[in-house]
Amino acid sequence: GAVVSQHPSRVICKSGTSVKIECRSLDFQATTMFWYRQFPKQSLMLMATSNEGSKATYEQGVEKDKFLINHASLTLSTLTVTSAHPEDSSFYICSAPFWIRTSYNEQFFGPGTRLTVL
Amino acid sequence: QKEVEQDPGPLSVPEGAIVSLNCTYSNSAFQYFMWYRQYSRKGPELLMYTYSSGNKEDGRFTAQVDKSSKYISLFIRDSQPSDSATYLCAMSGPPTGNQFYFGTGTSLTVIP
Repeated sequence: GAVVSQHPSRVICKSGTSVKIECRSLDFQATTMFWYRQFPKQSLMLMATSNEGSKATYEQGVEKDKFLINHASLTLSTLTVTSAHPEDSSFYICSAPFWIRTSYNEQFFGPGTRLTVL
Repeated sequence: QKEVEQDPGPLSVPEGAIVSLNCTYSNSAFQYFMWYRQYSRKGPELLMYTYSSGNKEDGRFTAQVDKSSKYISLFIRDSQPSDSATYLCAMSGPPTGNQFYFGTGTSLTVIP
């Protein structure tokens, strides 16, 4: 199956710094990628949809200025957590859809990035 | 009301047991139903997907969809310790198949 990578896998930073997380589709192109956040023992919460060549679409309650998304190419989307605070500590996962048929895609998930803000 | 409801567990079974995991949903437009397995601190991996109602079997795993009841199930036969993980159900459908709606996940532990 298709492979999605994420970098870094783990990051620890001080409060107030910005952290960039990369999501790459390695063997297929993705005009759309999704960013999720997952707290311990909770499900995936969709944060935003990243669109290549246009602005990201954010879910209700997600701060656009806090979580900057850039979909620079058909294989790369980045999520930047700006001025990170301890409450931003979480597991961030990206996914990229691979269309099986016109109305259904298979989502391939990255391995996730664990962010810890001290 | 959440789009997808899933009992978070945790569920603990002895090795060899049959495991039943379930989700209910509210959106009758959902057409594709997926089960993902997520090991601790890893991204989810797709186990099975089913289109519309019916059963699908893959080795020890069987997925069932009952659209009339808005209820889906995943059965694991002869459960193994390596099956210990969190199982997430997910659904998608018109008007766009892009967005997935996830259940909260059920944590499963298979005891040797």
